[in-house]
Amino acid sequence: KAGVTQTPRYLIKTRGQQVTLSCSPISGHRSVSWYQQTPGQGLQFLFEYFSETQRNKGNFPGRFSGRQFSNSRSEMNVSTLELGDSALYLCASSFEGKLEQYFGPGTRLTVT
Amino acid sequence: ELKVEQNPLFLSMQEGKNYTIYCNYSTTSDRLYWYRQDPGKSLESLFVLLSNGAVKQEGRLMASLDTKARLSTLHITAAVHDLSATYFCAVDYAGGTSYGKLTFGQGTILTVHP
Repeated sequence: KAGVTQTPRYLIKTRGQQVTLSCSPISGHRSVSWYQQTPGQGLQFLFEYFSETQRNKGNFPGRFSGRQFSNSRSEMNVSTLELGDSALYLCASSFEGKLEQYFGPGTRLTVT
Repeated sequence: ELKVEQNPLFLSMQEGKNYTIYCNYSTTSDRLYWYRQDPGKSLESLFVLLSNGAVKQEGRLMASLDTKARLSTLHITAAVHDLSATYFCAVDYAGGTSYGKLTFGQGTILTVHP
């Protein structure tokens, strides 16, 4: 069974731009969670989607948004990028949002 | 608010020695996870601990869970260089509406020296 895939793997953007990251979950998994990892703040939960609905959200500003499609693929969008948004963004999928999560390889975003 | 604390945050070990990483969490949890992360890589699942007294072992790593003390331990036996990585514990909050959210500890950076 294929694992969680994320695209792109690396991205360099300029302050003020916006970015969209994509995550394809393991086949059959309907829950997708997103996390931000930085050296200073560690791993922080962004949001979770299940059957195209956001069920849970972390403490991030409204510039961070996401969506999920009918095939369970998910995207997250960050608008008006700031230097502090430079991070590794990880998505994780699970069969249902309260079972074990499997992580993708991550997207390394650098904002200059 | 659920808090998860690991200690130590940095661990330098000699090959062949034993050591334990501790993970404390502040509120009732459904599950506790241990993950490994190599530099620049994603999270690799090591253990899922579901109930009080649960103990799981894989190779030189053994994890246990005490839900009454809200404490999990990751014990390393006879460390080898290949175990060098960052280890995270994470907790799945037991609150009914907290879907898909893991709360992570700060991570323990383990370095094993010859």
